[in-house]
Amino acid sequence: EIVLTQSPGTLSLSPGERATLSCRASQSVNSRYLAWYQQKPGQAPRLLIYGASNRATGIPDTFSGSGSGTDFTLTISRLEPEDFAVYYCQQYGSSQYTFGQGTKLEIK
Amino acid sequence: EVQLVQSGAQVKKPGESLKISCTGSGYSFSSYWIGWVRQMPGKGLEWMGIIYPGDSDIRYSPSFQGQVTISADKSINTAHLQWSSLKASDTAMYFCARLNVDTDSNWFDPWGQGTLVTVSS
Repeated sequence: EIVLTQSPGTLSLSPGERATLSCRASQSVNSRYLAWYQQKPGQAPRLLIYGASNRATGIPDTFSGSGSGTDFTLTISRLEPEDFAVYYCQQYGSSQYTFGQGTKLEIK
Repeated sequence: EVQLVQSGAQVKKPGESLKISCTGSGYSFSSYWIGWVRQMPGKGLEWMGIIYPGDSDIRYSPSFQGQVTISADKSINTAHLQWSSLKASDTAMYFCARLNVDTDSNWFDPWGQGTLVTVSS
């Protein structure tokens, strides 16, 4: 099973700042099978990025994804108040799906 | 609009059985895999398994194989997740999500609103 480790566990930033979230895999991941989700309290997860770098429909261009192999990054170029949430990476490989443990993005 | 609507919250006792549902609309339900994801209180997301309603092909996560049963009834556009004997440790929010498949890529979108299952004596 491929394990995804997200860092940091908690990221404290202010609106307007840039956020960089990391997702590291225990073995190489096909980037086409790497996705990012946002989850706010009391809500279901929402797809942000698929295929490592493709924004989902309706996702603002302040969100971008990059990476390959074992290292992937979600970047939010300029934080809006509504961006403070928990973010999960997810991969598919060997007929299994796994999620990272999440990064909580909180207001500083 | 593509939508997944899940059944309501459930409170059960240990040892009881339970079946929760996820109903799709706005698309050809038979043609897309549906996945189930567990989120224990205050914790992260765990993939449980997926089902293809068109032919009921099912893939389970090894962590959940034998612990739950996933099924689907394409005639009513509904997928199910069931337990034969609940444990307190099954207390969690359960989400369903549609698996979108593109050439060499796939992702979960949209997600149902979640079903909260509470198991307590």
